[in-house]
Parts: sequence; C-alpha cells; structure tokens
Amino acid sequence: GENVEQHPSTLSVQEGDSAVIKCTYSDSASNYFPWYKQELGKGPQLIIDIRSNVGEKKDQRIAVTLNKTAKHFSLHITETQPEDSAVYFCAALKGVTGGGNKLTFGTGTQLKVEL
Amino acid sequence: GAVVSQHPSRVICKSGTSVKIECRSLDFQATTMFWYRQFPKQSLMLMATSNEGSKATYEQGVEKDKFLINHASLTLSTLTVTSAHPEDSSFYICSARDPAGFTDTQYFGPGTRLTVL
Repeated sequence: GENVEQHPSTLSVQEGDSAVIKCTYSDSASNYFPWYKQELGKGPQLIIDIRSNVGEKKDQRIAVTLNKTAKHFSLHITETQPEDSAVYFCAALKGVTGGGNKLTFGTGTQLKVEL
Repeated sequence: GAVVSQHPSRVICKSGTSVKIECRSLDFQATTMFWYRQFPKQSLMLMATSNEGSKATYEQGVEKDKFLINHASLTLSTLTVTSAHPEDSSFYICSARDPAGFTDTQYFGPGTRLTVL
C-alpha cells in the first residue's frame, strides 16, 4: 500500500518568513495530493490540493509543488502569520473512477509562527 | 460550500455504554463518507469507508461489531461505538467526498472528542 513520509515534524519560523513542508510517497500510481491544516481540537481543513498532471499550484500565500519522478511534493507558505500556526498534514491518493479510494496521510508537521 | 458537520462535538460516557456520532454533509450529497480516529499528536487513522445504501468497508484491525457504521442517506452517516471502554477514548473525525468537484476531494467534519470513564 501507499506510504507517505512527512518532514519536518516541527517547524518554527519568524513572522513574515517562509515555511516549507516536504512529503514523499511510495506508490507511483498516486495521482491526488491534498494538504490539510488542523488547529487544536478541530477537524482538518483542506487548504490546497494538486493532481498529478500539474507540477505547481498557487493560492495567495500558499503553493504546492509536485515532482512525480522523485515522488515528492511540498507545501510552501510565504509571509507567514501567527494564524498560520497549526498542524499540517499531507496526503496521497490513488484515484479511480468513483473516487472511493483512501487517503494516506503523512505524520504531520507542527508549524509555529513566532512574533 | 462543502461543509461537513458532526454531532456531538464532545461526549463523556461511562464504560460499557454505547455512543452514537453523527456526520452530515450540509450542502452536498455524499455517496461516500469516511471515519477516522486520531490520538493526541498523531496522524489520522482511517477506520472505515461508508457508502450510502451498502455496508461499510472496514480497515484491517478495526472491529466492525464494535464500531457500527450506518449510511442511510446521502447526507448522513453515523458511527456507534458499542460497549465503550477507556481505550476507545479518542478524537473521531468524519469526512465526505463531494462528487461535484474532484471526485477524490474529501472535506472533514470538526471532530468528536470521546472520553470513556
């Protein structure tokens, strides 16, 4: 089955700096890669996703890059703000018709943005 | 759009009792919902996939008789933890797949904190 590794487990940055979180996956057939933000005591919130036919996607301060050959994808947050502090999870999925396949999650990254 | 709700948000029960958790898709019809369990400072662990009108598919190691899942309508799935014990204390989160967008996109509910005394 799919295995997703995520690094680093914790990340501290100064407000205004950039933060990068990296994930690798094992199944070359995986074709959908979402990123979730989870605040303490809450459910994960989808912040950005990318499909395997795209190398990069950007949404304001957040961007995701995908390298299919190397089987890794990264989350980039620019101009970090204190409200970006949370746990971030990457995930991978091998989607087929019907979309009932499972997400495999990374182990999470605790991001702390310091003033 | 794509809002998923859960009820209750927090529940405390005595050992041996059963607890039902509801998961609703508020603005879309979800043919497939997923139930996850999350321990403190850990990642999400998929427990089962719930398909409307059919039996749930459980992940290896998850007791189907202990974690009963019912997906009776396109907007509601329920998870019942039967004969709960302290080791069942955890954060339970559901997600739903919105068929209107990418068929693989899952939206998560806010979670239910279960504490078994």
